[in-house]
Amino acid sequence: DGGITQSPKYLFRKEGQNVTLSCEQNLNHDAMYWYRQDPGQGLRLIYYSQIVNDFQKGDIAEGYSVSREKKESFPLTVTSAQKNPTAFYLCASNNRLGSGTDYEQYFGPGTRLTVT
Amino acid sequence: EDQVTQSPEALRLQEGESSSLNCSYTVSGLRGLFWYRQDPGKGPEFLFTLYSAGEEKEKERLKATLTKKESFLHITAPKPEDSATYLCAVQGDTDKLIFGTGTRLQVFP
Repeated sequence: DGGITQSPKYLFRKEGQNVTLSCEQNLNHDAMYWYRQDPGQGLRLIYYSQIVNDFQKGDIAEGYSVSREKKESFPLTVTSAQKNPTAFYLCASNNRLGSGTDYEQYFGPGTRLTVT
Repeated sequence: EDQVTQSPEALRLQEGESSSLNCSYTVSGLRGLFWYRQDPGKGPEFLFTLYSAGEEKEKERLKATLTKKESFLHITAPKPEDSATYLCAVQGDTDKLIFGTGTRLQVFP
């Protein structure tokens, strides 16, 4: 079964702690993305990576960090510098920008992070 | 600035009552417009991609259409299992998708 896995489904942390969210894909996609979803708001892009060992900031990168050491994996670290970390985090992937169906992004099941 | 606006925010339908969801957009160099379905607590599920004005795509009770300024998701004779939030997104000449805030659809038996 090809797809995107995110773990864990639910994550609880104390304020001031860093936490890393996992995202793995076996679709052989080049590009991977991290979004944050809050009630009443559209998905907001945190970071994205189009190729291994390279990534770019999205619209709300402050307080987050990523790495892309393997094509299949794109972990997201929520640092203590992120002011409002409680949210639903979604990972997505697609083929490297080209044409046609390459633009279609496919999403994982999400991780709900609660920081108290 | 690329922008996507979806309306209505919420829609309640009786089972079998057809309706349409709207996605208005402004984007530089449209590469694609995407529709997703999202169930509570889950990731968005890809439905359709539309690339140019006049294009239409269908899947079961859903039909998506595209003009130069907006897209419609038509739902024909909906069933309770069609209840979900429907998201619209566009990709212009950047590397990013721009998402609307979604339409929350509830279909009652």
